[in-house]
Amino acid sequence: SQKIEQNSEALNIQEGKTATLTCNYTNYSPAYLQWYRQDPGRGPVFLLLIRENEKEKRKERLKVTFDTTLKQSLFHITASQPADSATYLCALERAMNTGFQKLVFGTGTRLLVSP
Amino acid sequence: DVKVTQSSRYLVKRTGEKVFLECVQDMDHENMFWYRQDPGLGLRLIYFSYDVKMKEKGDIPEGYSVSREKKERFSLILESASTNQTSMYLCAIQTLRRTEAFFGQGTRLTVV
Repeated sequence: SQKIEQNSEALNIQEGKTATLTCNYTNYSPAYLQWYRQDPGRGPVFLLLIRENEKEKRKERLKVTFDTTLKQSLFHITASQPADSATYLCALERAMNTGFQKLVFGTGTRLLVSP
Repeated sequence: DVKVTQSSRYLVKRTGEKVFLECVQDMDHENMFWYRQDPGLGLRLIYFSYDVKMKEKGDIPEGYSVSREKKERFSLILESASTNQTSMYLCAIQTLRRTEAFFGQGTRLTVV
């Protein structure tokens, strides 16, 4: 069966360090992978999209890698700040029986950055 | 700025009531989605719509229906609310190019 796995345990790091979150998937061949941030009681907010032919993508302090051989994406936040504390979700497309594509989300990893 | 507006942030309803959750977008995006989010289960797709009056079932459509009479508005209907439908409901939009999704602020529904 198709699965998207993110570490369900919270990741605790100190301010200024680099946070690395992992997204592993099985039985998918995604054309792209997305990362979202979700704050408590709020809807997810899109951060980055990386395509299958891209190894790495950056946006300010964020970096995403995508290894289609390992079926894994890594999400890095450099020089982390307490304001980065949130839950981070990865998402892939999956084809439905009708031929339409839907976004499927991992359960997310909670990041806690302490001062 | 993209705006996806859900009609309520918090809602408390009684078992058996018919419940309407509304979602309105200002981006003219074709695809609209309803998800529910529960601890440990993540986001699960209930229904989506790719055009006016068009809809497709997601992974967990039982107990729900949807309506899209206008492009900007997508409604989720709980025909007869039950306690196991207590959840966070999230509306999302996406273009036909299927890139990033934009979410509403969510509706925390409690069925008592």
